[in-house]
Amino acid sequence: GAGVSQSPRYKVAKRGQDVALRCDPISGHVSLFWYQQALGQGPEFLTYFQNEAQLDKSESPSDRFFAERPEGSVSTLKIQRTQQEDSAVYLCASSPPPAYEQYFGPGTRLTVT
Amino acid sequence: QKEVEQDPGPLSVPEGAIVSLNCTYSNSAFQYFMWYRQYSRKGPELLMYTYSSGNKEDGRFTAQVDKSSKYISLFIRDSQPSDSATYLCAMSDTNFGNEKLTFGTGTRLTIIP
Repeated sequence: GAGVSQSPRYKVAKRGQDVALRCDPISGHVSLFWYQQALGQGPEFLTYFQNEAQLDKSESPSDRFFAERPEGSVSTLKIQRTQQEDSAVYLCASSPPPAYEQYFGPGTRLTVT
Repeated sequence: QKEVEQDPGPLSVPEGAIVSLNCTYSNSAFQYFMWYRQYSRKGPELLMYTYSSGNKEDGRFTAQVDKSSKYISLFIRDSQPSDSATYLCAMSDTNFGNEKLTFGTGTRLTIIP
């Protein structure tokens, strides 16, 4: 079946702009995760949803990052007033229970100029 | 110090060789251990997962976990050029609502034909 999809695949934003990144999880997957992957680094956890409930956002790098999943399927990661240090690949993963089996999308590569 | 340490490489080996990839960790709460493979400009793909200590084999891949030493390994036998990728170790604890993955930096592997 279809995997996790993310859009856009590439995004260039001027410093100070707001961006919105979309994730379509695998149908029926309850859990959804957002990670940030800087160049040459492993993914770092940002936040996690179980259905529409956001359960963990303790690792968010800044209060400019905001994620939502209002109907328990599609999720949006919004970054306000983007900064150069936000340049990274943003990965979305979804999972049926148990949540350690996470399936990743291709990521959105964000470049802030 | 990071919770999960992984040698970033790069590592180059000839086709057919046995590859050994390793990670160490400091958080004794980790119970689930995973290896992901990531091709350039793609999302991570789950290769293997192991619960607690022990070995697990899947085709040419073997994962080992030694919780007493806080050390995990992935072995690739009869390596192929298609195995060239970045390999990420990842770990999770079992607390409900805290199923985030903590990743290593990733090891870039090249198999030379």
